[in-house]
Amino acid sequence: AQKITQTQPGMFVQEKEAVTLDCTYDTSDPSYGLFWYKQPSSGEMIFLIYQGSYDQQNATEGRYSLNFQKARKSANLVISASQLGDSAMYFCAMREGNSGYALNFGKGTSLLVTP
Amino acid sequence: GAGVSQTPSNKVTEKGKYVELRCDPISGHTALYWYRQSLGQGPEFLIYFQGTGAADDSGLPNDRFFAVRPEGSVSTLKIQRTERGDSAVYLCASSLSSGALSGANVLTFGAGSRLTVL
Repeated sequence: AQKITQTQPGMFVQEKEAVTLDCTYDTSDPSYGLFWYKQPSSGEMIFLIYQGSYDQQNATEGRYSLNFQKARKSANLVISASQLGDSAMYFCAMREGNSGYALNFGKGTSLLVTP
Repeated sequence: GAGVSQTPSNKVTEKGKYVELRCDPISGHTALYWYRQSLGQGPEFLIYFQGTGAADDSGLPNDRFFAVRPEGSVSTLKIQRTERGDSAVYLCASSLSSGALSGANVLTFGAGSRLTVL
């Protein structure tokens, strides 16, 4: 069963606007971590932001914030003030604390920022 | 080194041949991971090392795939009798440890090795 679901294959946003990339997850483990990675056309996976399942507040890192809704099992990434350089694939991933160390990735969302 | 280094960046081989892909993790990172990414998909877990030992190889698709990390640093992913379906980007990642779930213990990825099997 798919543990991470990203329902938006592609998204467009205008420069300087905010955009939300959706991610839902499935786990019965009470301890887990949620990660977002960016993959530009060069191919390298770049870590953006982390949210732990026990964290009380939504994570923020610069222009990135994570809208964590635990009851809905969603961890949407919000990018504020989009820049042309934000155009890339974005992957949501989860690591379950009690059942292994691997990150499980979603299929990704392709974001295109337009001038 | 400063980042995770993977060689070769590109490898083209013929069906049935043997290939080796190398990963040099960040210095001091004890945990090392191999992933495979097919076109249009997210990375798929293959194997994870803590130190020299393979702690979890549940993602290896079959016994043609094998990975080693003999001295707890550099790792080699070995693929025997390659098939066209093995064509993908093979990503290596490392982290400080495999223990605590935290933002300080994230996986840092290399640029990948693109394997094409003709």
